Amino acid sequence: AQSVTQPDIHITVSEGASLELRCNYSYGATPYLFWYVQSPGQGLQLLLKYFSGDTLVQGIKGFEAEFKRSQSSFNLRKPSVHWSDAAEYFCAVGPPVGYKLSFGAGTTVTVRA
Amino acid sequence: DVKVTQSSRYLVKRTGEKVFLECVQDMDHENMFWYRQDPGLGLRLIYFSYDVKMKEKGDIPEGYSVSREKKERFSLILESASTNQTSMYLCASSPAVRAADEQYFGPGTRLTVT
Repeated sequence: AQSVTQPDIHITVSEGASLELRCNYSYGATPYLFWYVQSPGQGLQLLLKYFSGDTLVQGIKGFEAEFKRSQSSFNLRKPSVHWSDAAEYFCAVGPPVGYKLSFGAGTTVTVRA
Repeated sequence: DVKVTQSSRYLVKRTGEKVFLECVQDMDHENMFWYRQDPGLGLRLIYFSYDVKMKEKGDIPEGYSVSREKKERFSLILESASTNQTSMYLCASSPAVRAADEQYFGPGTRLTVT
């Protein structure tokens, strides 16, 4: 069975500082991995996705994520956060064939001035 | 621009009422999904539809049913609402069966059952 763990429920970061959100997954083979962001009052928006190839993936809004098979991790990073990055972030895992995504519990990011 | 719309942003219903949540997508996507979002639990799949009149149960289908009579519309039905169904409900769509395809989400409906 596939599952996702996001160890951090809430992170507070200063504007301009770097941000890293952790994601650990459980899956028998190489999964498809996703990061979504949910701004207040909005639906989820895809930030980036990993299927294969280069383990460092670039996404929208200046985010990147690194797939580490040995650690079963897919951590999300941003070098310098903006106040508009305050949101909830979800990591998700899915099989190469099939529709079902499993989502983590989410990490809420607060940005202080 | 890609768009998934949900009929209500906020809804308050009484215990025992029949509740309809509507979702419409304008992208001609085959797949549509209903999720429930609760704090600390992330998103959990209620039902999935891969074609008109076709549906599959997700992880938590109990107490819910769905209807897809047209490709663009996917309805979630709470036959007899209960207080434990108070939650945020998210609809999504995607163009194919593979999980690898991005799912596009609506803004959500926050349902309160009193």
